[in-house]
Amino acid sequence: GAGVSQSPRYKVAKRGQDVALRCDPISGHVSLFWYQQALGQGPEFLTYFQNEAQLDKSGLPSDRFFAERPEGSVSTLKIQRTQQEDSAVYLCASSSGQGSTNEKLFFGSGTQLSVL
Amino acid sequence: GNSVTQMEGPVTLSEEAFLTINCTYTATGYPSLFWYVQYPGEGLQLLLKATKADDKGSNKGFEATYRKETTSFHLEKGSVQVSDSAVYFCALRGTGFQKLVFGTGTRLLVSP
Repeated sequence: GAGVSQSPRYKVAKRGQDVALRCDPISGHVSLFWYQQALGQGPEFLTYFQNEAQLDKSGLPSDRFFAERPEGSVSTLKIQRTQQEDSAVYLCASSSGQGSTNEKLFFGSGTQLSVL
Repeated sequence: GNSVTQMEGPVTLSEEAFLTINCTYTATGYPSLFWYVQYPGEGLQLLLKATKADDKGSNKGFEATYRKETTSFHLEKGSVQVSDSAVYFCALRGTGFQKLVFGTGTRLLVSP
């Protein structure tokens, strides 16, 4: 596709529900990142994939958060037993290389998650 | 750890005014520095970058110079337009790391 696509655009969940957020990166992009952006804040790193390998998950806030990219393209971020503090915009980004300092990241428009 | 500090907004300017948005950073080694912009309803876009000390990144009339001695990467534009209204994020990527560390963002509002 032309850019990074995320779905759904908006998600409302009741506290305790499980949610799954999808990211379609730009075709052929090796690197994929997930970020969490709380209202009025900058994006915070969650996790990083190089192809299907999850190389860095140091930003995942708890074991309720799980991400996968089984075929090295589409990625899913799953949040189990959602809590109100999980309410945020979840951003996905991809790049063509292996995450070197000179690479340009392409961001999706994000999924806005509201937990009631 | 690595961190980025930006001036708080909103920054409110009239069209054709001069813009400065301050950004300072804390990092070990030699990070790369970035400015990203988020227009209303759109995803983050790379505006400009600099990968080593004294480099100047520029794009669309915006400029920022990587100052290692003051650990700063201030964003400037000589004459802003209404269409520049957006949220601007300063970010760094540390040596040997893939992830970006972002500042909290500065909202710019330009009026005609």
